[in-house]
Amino acid sequence: EAGVAQSPRYKIIEKRQSVAFWCNPISGHATLYWYQQILGQGPKLLIQFQNNGVVDDSQLPKDRFSAERLKGVDSTLKIQPAKLEDSAVYLCASSSGGNNLGNTIYFGEGSWLTVV
Amino acid sequence: QKEVEQDPGPLSVPEGAIVSLNCTYSNSAFQYFMWYRQYSRKGPELLMYTYSSGNKEDGRFTAQVDKSSKYISLFIRDSQPSDSATYLCAMRAYNFNKFYFGSGTKLNVKP
Repeated sequence: EAGVAQSPRYKIIEKRQSVAFWCNPISGHATLYWYQQILGQGPKLLIQFQNNGVVDDSQLPKDRFSAERLKGVDSTLKIQPAKLEDSAVYLCASSSGGNNLGNTIYFGEGSWLTVV
Repeated sequence: QKEVEQDPGPLSVPEGAIVSLNCTYSNSAFQYFMWYRQYSRKGPELLMYTYSSGNKEDGRFTAQVDKSSKYISLFIRDSQPSDSATYLCAMRAYNFNKFYFGSGTKLNVKP
């Protein structure tokens, strides 16, 4: 079974520029998450999708961050304009959803962003 | 108060030592508990997954849950340099599809 795919793996941009990250979840997973992880910290949820609807985006800085999941499969996270404090790894994850015992979360390799 | 607390370390041990990694939590509704291993420049990888209280063993790894104390542990026996990584605990409640993470403990196993 293929895992969560993310691209690009690494990106360096100047502040005020824009960047977009792409994610393709595990096949059949209804729930897709974007997390931000700053070095030395745990993942912080930015946005959670259930199919193509947003479940939770309470911690997404909506003045600069946007995300979409068209057709309920792959997803794009965009940052515009970027700030220095956006330097982090952006982790995409997916889960099957539901309350069953096997519902856990699987991560991609991450997209590492450096803003200079 | 954070939902999940985890000592950030770093924890440095000699090869072959028994390692104990721990998390505490405040929400008594949490019933599913996970441990992830994250190598440098990699995404978190699911290591152990347990439900409710008790122990679960997988090779050199044992996950332990004590719901009465709101405390979970991951034990690594015969630790190896390849175990050097950051370990994240995570948990969720029965009726919710939202996961709560600790801040991670950085482990260094010295040859």
